[in-house]
Amino acid sequence: GIQVEQSPPDLILQEGANSTLRCNFSDSVNNLQWFHQNPWGQLINLFYIPSGTKQNGRLSATTVATERYSLLYISSSQTTDSGVYFCAVPTAGGGADGLTFGKGTHLIIQP
Amino acid sequence: ETGVTQSPTHLIKTRGQQVTLRCSSQSGHNTVSWYQQALGQGPQFIFQYYREEENGRGNFPPRFSGLQFPNYSSELNVNALELDDSALYLCASSGRRAGSYEQYFGPGTRLTVT
Repeated sequence: GIQVEQSPPDLILQEGANSTLRCNFSDSVNNLQWFHQNPWGQLINLFYIPSGTKQNGRLSATTVATERYSLLYISSSQTTDSGVYFCAVPTAGGGADGLTFGKGTHLIIQP
Repeated sequence: ETGVTQSPTHLIKTRGQQVTLRCSSQSGHNTVSWYQQALGQGPQFIFQYYREEENGRGNFPPRFSGLQFPNYSSELNVNALELDDSALYLCASSGRRAGSYEQYFGPGTRLTVT
């Protein structure tokens, strides 16, 4: 099945810093989602980004589908950005499948 | 708030027992997917229901089963519980509209098997 690798696994930054999280996937996909999981376990949708670049406030994401990777950028980090960030792609590559998740990037923003 | 609800929020069961978890999908969504998330891991796909039929399954044994109802809500049933079934169970709904299959997650049910 499709493999999803995220890097780095852990990241500790000071408030105000910028960060880039990477997601590599092993096969062609036609959509990709980024999530933020809060300490209570809720997965919060950040981006649905099959290709190209999207921005939402301090967050932006870029997916290069032909090269099988996606990047999540967080600028001017705040302590509330702490948590685990996951990317996920359709398990069989198709749009309507269940998702295969990476192991996540655990981000800690220190005041 | 995603509009996806799950019940119960927490549950404690004994090994060998059976459990039923429930999920109500977001309004207008006809597809529900279930995931198991062990501590420190990413969610793992269990199965998906579309229009009341199973529409894809991950690497989980048959003692994990499900249902989807005409209102698109769904149940996850787990028989013969094992200690390793202790996890956060997440459901997600999606609408398959306008080429978007974006999934929205509920808050989860935390299952502890003792």
